Amino acid sequence: DIVMTQSPDSLAVSLGERATIDCKSSQSVLYSSNNKNYLAWYQQKPRQPPKLLIYWASTRESGVPDRFSGSGSGTDFTLTISSLQAEDVAVYYCQQYYSTLPTFGPGTKVDIK
Amino acid sequence: QVQLQESGPGLVKPSETLSLTCTVSGGSISSYYWNWIRQFPGKGLEWIGHVYYSGSTSYNPSLKSRVTISVDTSKNQISLRLSSVTAADTAVYYCARASNWNDLLLEYWGQGTLVTVSS
Repeated sequence: DIVMTQSPDSLAVSLGERATIDCKSSQSVLYSSNNKNYLAWYQQKPRQPPKLLIYWASTRESGVPDRFSGSGSGTDFTLTISSLQAEDVAVYYCQQYYSTLPTFGPGTKVDIK
Repeated sequence: QVQLQESGPGLVKPSETLSLTCTVSGGSISSYYWNWIRQFPGKGLEWIGHVYYSGSTSYNPSLKSRVTISVDTSKNQISLRLSSVTAADTAVYYCARASNWNDLLLEYWGQGTLVTVSS
């Protein structure tokens, strides 16, 4: 199984400031034949299901604000919220869909400082 | 916009079979993969398996001996059965439709249903 880890476990950022979450996979999720990273990010607000934010490591889902961006390749990935808004308080999960058994990171909780 | 709604018993006894249904509205089941995912009380997420509208399935190897996922296109429903449950199967169970881009990329989610395993 591909093991996903995230850091930090939680962070508190002032409104309007940048939030950065890291995600690492235990093996590369870059598929060489199409040069795509099979890595997604989800946002989960309290009492709601996860919501797809980013896929292919850096492609925003339709309707996702452009303050959310994804970067990285291979085994190391980052989700950045460029200017934190109150509605961004949530837990963020990365997921690899490279292998036939998709796996998720443990989540990073983002709060307002 | 497609909507998914999970339903089923919220309480299941140990050793019995958990049975859930996901009803799809606002869109067709056809041409998509339909996934089941569960979220444990500690918030970790685990993929259970998926079914294509044609009926072909793929399961998490750790659950494969106990899981059955099926599709009923006439009712626009996807079903999950998990046998021989224990307390470790207590979780919120979600159904999710995969994206057009990949069968394991989870684009639309239901609200989830909490299943507690307890006598």
